[in-house]
Amino acid sequence: DVKVTQSSRYLVKRTGEKVFLECVQDMDHENMFWYRQDPGLGLRLIYFSYDVKMKEKGDIPEGYSVSREKKERFSLILESASTNQTSMYLCASLPQGRPYEQYFGPGTRLTVT
Amino acid sequence: QKEVEQDPGPLSVPEGAIVSLNCTYSNSAFQYFMWYRQYSRKGPELLMYTYSSGNKEDGRFTAQVDKSSKYISLFIRDSQPSDSATYLCAMSADTGGFKTIFGAGTRLFVKA
Repeated sequence: DVKVTQSSRYLVKRTGEKVFLECVQDMDHENMFWYRQDPGLGLRLIYFSYDVKMKEKGDIPEGYSVSREKKERFSLILESASTNQTSMYLCASLPQGRPYEQYFGPGTRLTVT
Repeated sequence: QKEVEQDPGPLSVPEGAIVSLNCTYSNSAFQYFMWYRQYSRKGPELLMYTYSSGNKEDGRFTAQVDKSSKYISLFIRDSQPSDSATYLCAMSADTGGFKTIFGAGTRLFVKA
């Protein structure tokens, strides 16, 4: 079974703090993604990576950065957290050649106060 | 206009009912059409996918794609309380590989 794990299920941070969200997958997938999920808006892509040290902006990259130093690990960084970044953050991985089959982690519910 | 439109519901049905969930889309380049199921406090899981047009059946679930109308459906027969979840449609193009567009998700409640 593919497993995607995220470092925290719930996180509460203060405005202006730097926030790190970690994601690890154990199936040697090349592609990894960070989404945020908000009611009525669905999943919106923040960043994705198709290889180690490679990254591409998604639809809503502003205020976020990412790091992929190892194939299994993809980190999302909120440089200076703001209240409008309160959301559910989902990490996913995708095997090469199967563009329909993303595997998601359980999500991190981030609250910025 | 969003690339993918999905009614968020909620949809409440009695156990045993046939459920119909739908999405419309605007990008004719989409070739992969997926349905993900998301239980409360969990990440989405792939339920079914269809490549290009047509129908696909898997047990009580049937996925349909009508590319001429840019309309996809998921039917659930003999719905069970365990089917209560949020169902997200998702689509991607055959090229450029990685980007998937998700619908907002429809929240389904199946009452015993």
